[in-house]
Amino acid sequence: AQSVTQPDIHITVSEGASLELRCNYSYGATPYLFWYVQSPGQGLQLLLKYFSGDTLVQGIKGFEAEFKRSQSSFNLRKPSVHWSDAAEYFCAVGGNEKLTFGTGTRLTIIP
Amino acid sequence: SAVISQKPSRDICQRGTSLTIQCQVDSQVTMMFWYRQQPGQSLTLIATANQGSEATYESGFVIDKFPISRPNLTFSTLTVSNMSPEDSSIYLCSVPSKLITDTQYFGPGTRLTVL
Repeated sequence: AQSVTQPDIHITVSEGASLELRCNYSYGATPYLFWYVQSPGQGLQLLLKYFSGDTLVQGIKGFEAEFKRSQSSFNLRKPSVHWSDAAEYFCAVGGNEKLTFGTGTRLTIIP
Repeated sequence: SAVISQKPSRDICQRGTSLTIQCQVDSQVTMMFWYRQQPGQSLTLIATANQGSEATYESGFVIDKFPISRPNLTFSTLTVSNMSPEDSSIYLCSVPSKLITDTQYFGPGTRLTVL
């Protein structure tokens, strides 16, 4: 069975600081991995995805994520956060047939 | 990406009543998915709705509680029946992307509060 773990429930960073959100997955085959962002009162927006190939993937809004098979990880990074990045971030594994989500990480930005 | 709308965006309902949530997509899609996001929790897949066939429900979800209709390739409804406060959640529909394989796009969600 596929599963996703996001070990950090809540992270607070200063505006302009770097960010890394952790995601570990369990999947029987080569995983399809996704990061979604949910802003307050909004639906989910796809930030980026990994299917195969280059293990460092670039997404929207300046985000990137690195797939590390040996660590079963797909951590999300951003070199300098903006106040508008405050949101809930979900890592997911799967594909068209079924997506399994992690429990999410709430990101708070302080001035 | 597909443009997905949901109605209502939010509602407050009394226990024992039922609410039907609509999901409209701006293009034809074979599969549509319904998810539940309980307060402070992640998203859980309720069921997959294919046009022309019965919806496929995930473990823990049953048709009597969450009946789904899929009358055409751009529309689906999810009904939350005989509601209790435990049904208070955000309900989201999603569709597969036609351009990006194995990717889903989500509607804005329906925030349901049951008193």
